[in-house]
Amino acid sequence: QQQVKQSPQSLIVQKGGISIINCAYENTAFDYFPWYQQFPGKGPALLIAIRPDVSEKKEGRFTISFNKSAKQFSLHIMDSQPGDSATYFCAARWGGATNKLIFGTGTLLAVQP
Amino acid sequence: EAGVVQSPRYKIIEKKQPVAFWCNPISGHNTLYWYRQNLGQGPELLIRYENEEAVDDSQLPKDRFSAERLKGVDSTLKIQPAELGDSAVYLCASSPGTSVSYEQYFGPGTRLTVT
Repeated sequence: QQQVKQSPQSLIVQKGGISIINCAYENTAFDYFPWYQQFPGKGPALLIAIRPDVSEKKEGRFTISFNKSAKQFSLHIMDSQPGDSATYFCAARWGGATNKLIFGTGTLLAVQP
Repeated sequence: EAGVVQSPRYKIIEKKQPVAFWCNPISGHNTLYWYRQNLGQGPELLIRYENEEAVDDSQLPKDRFSAERLKGVDSTLKIQPAELGDSAVYLCASSPGTSVSYEQYFGPGTRLTVT
């Protein structure tokens, strides 16, 4: 059962454009929502994360928008650059001490120069 | 600070053969995770250790998979015998503990191909 649904599966954006990736979850027990960036041959690396009591978090060109009532959150990459080309995963953490992450299926982003 | 180290980076074996993966977490990180990442998918947790203790192995196929974390530092994940469906990237991650941070730090993974 897929508990975190991610879309789109792939995305092509022109340099300087805005990349938007969406995720939706079902379980209200999730208490932390990170986004990971993965380059080919590398492990995922934390990009930015948000807690459900915050509606938006911005770090540089990366912004998470969080809609708790809709159980949706999204990643916005402003002024997208070719170096941003990677696979992006949203995730959700089970509350409590388990620190268990449930990952989405990933979005392959290609930023064209 | 050195990151999570994994070896080997690549492994090709024939089905029914055994294989083992090794992980050295970030120094001081008490929690260690093994994930499996199938092609085009997100990582899926196999097992989580708190120090030496496996506290969540509910997703580990115990008929063929085993893991250990002796002395609460390095860890080994083993598959015996391997099946074609085990082809995937096996990722190790570590974290300092939830009282410090929720962040998990991933290693580069071991890409396993079973032929």
